[in-house]
Amino acid sequence: AQKITQTQPGMFVQEKEAVTLDCTYDTSDPSYGLFWYKQPSSGEMIFLIYQGSYDQQNATEGRYSLNFQKARKSANLVISASQLGDSAMYFCAMREGTGNTPLVFGKGTRLSVIA
Amino acid sequence: GAVVSQHPSRVICKSGTSVKIECRSLDFQATTMFWYRQFPKKSLMLMATSNEGSKATYEQGVEKDKFLINHASLTLSTLTVTSAHPEDSSFYICSARERQGAYSPLHFGNGTRLTVT
Repeated sequence: AQKITQTQPGMFVQEKEAVTLDCTYDTSDPSYGLFWYKQPSSGEMIFLIYQGSYDQQNATEGRYSLNFQKARKSANLVISASQLGDSAMYFCAMREGTGNTPLVFGKGTRLSVIA
Repeated sequence: GAVVSQHPSRVICKSGTSVKIECRSLDFQATTMFWYRQFPKKSLMLMATSNEGSKATYEQGVEKDKFLINHASLTLSTLTVTSAHPEDSSFYICSARERQGAYSPLHFGNGTRLTVT
């Protein structure tokens, strides 16, 4: 079974509008972390935001916020006031446990911001 | 912030040759580094976990004799693609975690685009 599911292969958003990128996850470990990365066409992976499984509040980082619904096992990324430079692939990822373990990535969502 | 440097960024080689990719943590020590592979328009797939001073741990389906990993110091891990073939053409990207702790993000190198002709 997939650990991270991103159901939107592609999304379009008008410049200056907000957009939500969906992510659901599957784990039985009570301790985990959820991460979002942006990958522009150049290929670099840019860390955006994270949410810990025990965090009570939704994470926010500038124009990025994470809508964390633990009971539904979802961790959607909200980008407010979209900019043309936000056009990229966005990956949701999860780390299980507390050791120095790797991230498992979803298939990604390609976001295109339209002027 | 933490920086992971990867070199080369792009390499073209002939079938049958070997290619070495370096991954360095520039301002922190990394006892563990992770190597991922990404096919065009696909997600990142974990290949192996590189451990300083010990053998790498490979994911199921990844040939350890094909993809040699050496983590000789706390700041350097290398991935060598041996006897490369066209099907090894891909985007390889390394990563490391600056701090321990469940919620510390992975920092990624800029990746290496390998083309085998």
